[in-house]
Amino acid sequence: EDQVTQSPEALRLQEGESSSLNCSYTVSGLRGLFWYRQDPGKGPEFLFTLYSAGEEKEKERLKATLTKKESFLHITAPKPEDSATYLCAVSEAMGYQKVTFGTGTKLQVIP
Amino acid sequence: GAVVSQHPSWVICKSGTSVKIECRSLDFQATTMFWYRQFPKQSLMLMATSNEGSKATYEQGVEKDKFLINHASLTLSTLTVTSAHPEDSSFYICSARDFRRSGNTIYFGEGSWLTVV
Repeated sequence: EDQVTQSPEALRLQEGESSSLNCSYTVSGLRGLFWYRQDPGKGPEFLFTLYSAGEEKEKERLKATLTKKESFLHITAPKPEDSATYLCAVSEAMGYQKVTFGTGTKLQVIP
Repeated sequence: GAVVSQHPSWVICKSGTSVKIECRSLDFQATTMFWYRQFPKQSLMLMATSNEGSKATYEQGVEKDKFLINHASLTLSTLTVTSAHPEDSSFYICSARDFRRSGNTIYFGEGSWLTVV
C-alpha cells in the first residue's frame, strides 16, 4: 500500500528563517510527486510536480527536490504570507490515477 | 486562475434532505475526477473516483448510495449527498487531472462547505 509521510506536522518560523519540509514516500513505480499549498477553508493550490529522482523545481521562495525515497520543500527567507498547510501527494501509475496524500505540514511564519 | 471550479462554496441544508455539489473542469476535458472529504485539521480523504460515462469507483467505507456521483460530461462531475445528516457536515473537494499541463498535474476545486442542521 502506498504511504506518504510528512514531517514535521507543524513548523513555526521567524520571518526570514529558511527551513525545509519533508515528504517520505513508499510506492511501487512513482509516476509523480505533487506539492500543494492549502489555506484554511480553501482547496489545495498546486505548486509543483516532480517525476524523477534528482529533479528540482523552483517558484519564488519555494524549491522542491526529489530523491527515490523522499521529497523536500525548501522555503528560503519565508514571509508571513507563506503561512499555510503544505501537502505532498504521490501518484503511482498512469493507468489508475489514484493519488495518495500525506497529512500535511502546517507552517506558521511569524513576522 | 482556477482550472477546476466547484459550486456551491457554502451550503446549509436540513437533516434528511439532499444536496448536490458540482465540479467543473475549465478549458480542459477530464475523463476522471476525484472527490475528497476533509475534516478540520486533517488531510484529504479520497471518497471516490468519478469516471465519465461509467460508474464511480468508491473507496472502502464510503457509502455509494449516500454519496451519489454522476460524471455526465467531460467537464462536469456532481456529488449528491442524499438524506444528509449532521455527521455529513464537512469540506468536500474535487480534483481533476489535466494531461496537457505540466504533464498531468492534478488541480483542485475551491472546495464546498456543507453544513447539515
